[in-house]
Amino acid sequence: EPEVTQTPSHQVTQMGQEVILRCVPISNHLYFYWYRQILGQKVEFLVSFYNNEISEKSEIFDDQFSVERPDGSNFTLKIRSTKLEDSAMYFCASSQDRSRPVEQYFGPGTRLTVT
Amino acid sequence: AQSVTQLDSQVPVFEEAPVELRCNYSSSVSVYLFWYVQYPNQGLQLLLKYLSGSTLVESINGFEAEFNKSQTSFHLRKPSVHISDTAEYFCAVSTTSGTYKYIFGTGTRLKVLA
Repeated sequence: EPEVTQTPSHQVTQMGQEVILRCVPISNHLYFYWYRQILGQKVEFLVSFYNNEISEKSEIFDDQFSVERPDGSNFTLKIRSTKLEDSAMYFCASSQDRSRPVEQYFGPGTRLTVT
Repeated sequence: AQSVTQLDSQVPVFEEAPVELRCNYSSSVSVYLFWYVQYPNQGLQLLLKYLSGSTLVESINGFEAEFNKSQTSFHLRKPSVHISDTAEYFCAVSTTSGTYKYIFGTGTRLKVLA
């Protein structure tokens, strides 16, 4: 069964450093999302991406964040200058098309630790 | 804007006992409703969804949820739990148009005791 993959599974970085989290969505999916889950808190929407552009972003997704689909398979989340409060589990998700856009498939997540 | 409330942060229950995990939502527009399960050190897996039609939806592993529009609820139930059901359960809503982003509840940790 196709699945969403994410790399790395765990990333440790120092405050102020840039990180790139990578995701490979399911191949025929068209909608892409990033969510995050701070330890002990709920999963929060960060950004949605469709047709090579951001379709919606939350207030969390400030200028330090960016997303990109550099090729036909990868979907990346970049944090330019990490802060301690960026420590969280980051989930990538994808969904299929306009006829079935609501069912999102999630990756296993990348745990980001900022020290 | 939408919001989701899961009042129970933890639910301990003995094996083979029934369980109900509560989910209430708030929205001024129509929504789709979901339950996701997260096993330790794993990602989010779709358990079941309500998009339209019958208000009672079932999963392949014995869970069911009922959409109650008047009470704005989507509670998850299982008549007899197993040890393997121990996990975190998240209720989520999405709008029926636009970006279909999910709004999640805070999760309920189900712990099944032997």
